[in-house]
Amino acid sequence: EAGVTQFPSHSVIEKGQTVTLRCDPISGHDNLYWYRRVMGKEIKFLLHFVKESKQDESGMPNNRFLAERTGGTYSTLKVQPAELEDSGVYFCASSQERGRTDTQYFGPGTRLTVL
Amino acid sequence: GNSVTQMEGPVTLSEEAFLTINCTYTATGYPSLFWYVQYPGEGLQLLLKATKADDKGSNKGFEATYRKETTSFHLEKGSVQVSDSAVYFCALRRGIGGGGNKLTFGTGTQLKVEL
Repeated sequence: EAGVTQFPSHSVIEKGQTVTLRCDPISGHDNLYWYRRVMGKEIKFLLHFVKESKQDESGMPNNRFLAERTGGTYSTLKVQPAELEDSGVYFCASSQERGRTDTQYFGPGTRLTVL
Repeated sequence: GNSVTQMEGPVTLSEEAFLTINCTYTATGYPSLFWYVQYPGEGLQLLLKATKADDKGSNKGFEATYRKETTSFHLEKGSVQVSDSAVYFCALRRGIGGGGNKLTFGTGTQLKVEL
């Protein structure tokens, strides 16, 4: 069974440009999460989808970030316009159930560098 | 709010040495606790977990015990190998009815094991 995949693995853009990150969860997983690790600090939650609906977007830093999950399958995270402080590693995770039995499976991450 | 504090790294050990990585947490209620590991070039993998007080999670020779009285979940391994070199993240998830499924992570501890 394929794991969570993310594309691209690396992205280098200039301040003010737009970048779109993609996450393909494990097939059949209704829950999809986005997290971010900035400058070697802790990994922080961004948002949580249940199927195509945003369940919790309390971690989204500002309105320059837009996440979508069309049809409840893959998800995209767009940053527009990108700022220097957006540099970091963006992780996606997916899980099948909610509650104490839930295990989140993570992708390899997308390393974003904003120059 | 919820928070996780890990010992700062990097930690450098010789092969077969004993490993302890300290982790303490702050949370209301009864969170579930996790250790994730990120090997070089890979995504986060769940290493072990514990869902209630006094539970011991174990996997691949690693162990951690959920200590509610000290709000700790220290990671231990009796004899580390070079292949254990990675970044280790402690994380918590609030219990049922307490803030959804998002994970709160520590800053990560880099472990380097040398021959």
